[in-house]
Amino acid sequence: SAVISQKPSRDICQRGTSLTIQCQVDSQVTMMFWYRQQPGQSLTLIATANQGSEATYESGFVIDKFPISRPNLTFSTLTVSNMSPEDSSIYLCSVEDMATETQYFGPGTRLLVL
Amino acid sequence: RKEVEQDPGPFNVPEGATVAFNCTYSNSASQSFFWYRQDCRKEPKLLMSVYSSGNEDGRFTAQLNRASQYISLLIRDSKLSDSATYLCVVNVNNAGNMLTFGGGTRLMVKP
Repeated sequence: SAVISQKPSRDICQRGTSLTIQCQVDSQVTMMFWYRQQPGQSLTLIATANQGSEATYESGFVIDKFPISRPNLTFSTLTVSNMSPEDSSIYLCSVEDMATETQYFGPGTRLLVL
Repeated sequence: RKEVEQDPGPFNVPEGATVAFNCTYSNSASQSFFWYRQDCRKEPKLLMSVYSSGNEDGRFTAQLNRASQYISLLIRDSKLSDSATYLCVVNVNNAGNMLTFGGGTRLMVKP
């Protein structure tokens, strides 16, 4: 399976600021995804990061709040904009594995907004 | 109704016990099914896929019942290291890009 890294691994931020999370994969992948996992909850898909075009957002998530970049087939960023304490969560990127028709996850970014 | 439902637990079992988790899904068009394991403060990791014929991987057995729309995971001879949250995951379109996660079932194996 692909090796996925995320930066930062954790951060504490002030409300009103923005944080950009990076996701790097060690091989070229077609599909990359961003999820949020709030405390005690399961994973919720934020968006699919498409290489060369705008991300596809799920219901309840908008580009102004969660802009995403996908400049190539191994890298993506998610920005959490104008943060509030409700944005405190773990943010995970994942990549599709064509062989198993499932996804593998990065280690996550733990965000606390004060 | 949630798309993928699991008993959140926790299931507290002694070492060596056999434990089973069930998961139900609402979308009858779902194509493929998985169990992920998530350790505390870690990312989810694929435990096993669930095939229509059922499949076994060591102490772990997964079953799928399409008619009743449920999936099960059986763990035999539980180890302390099996303590984790087990996530039931359903893929609607077989393209790897439509995963829906259950809320997870927490397992605690005690000495």
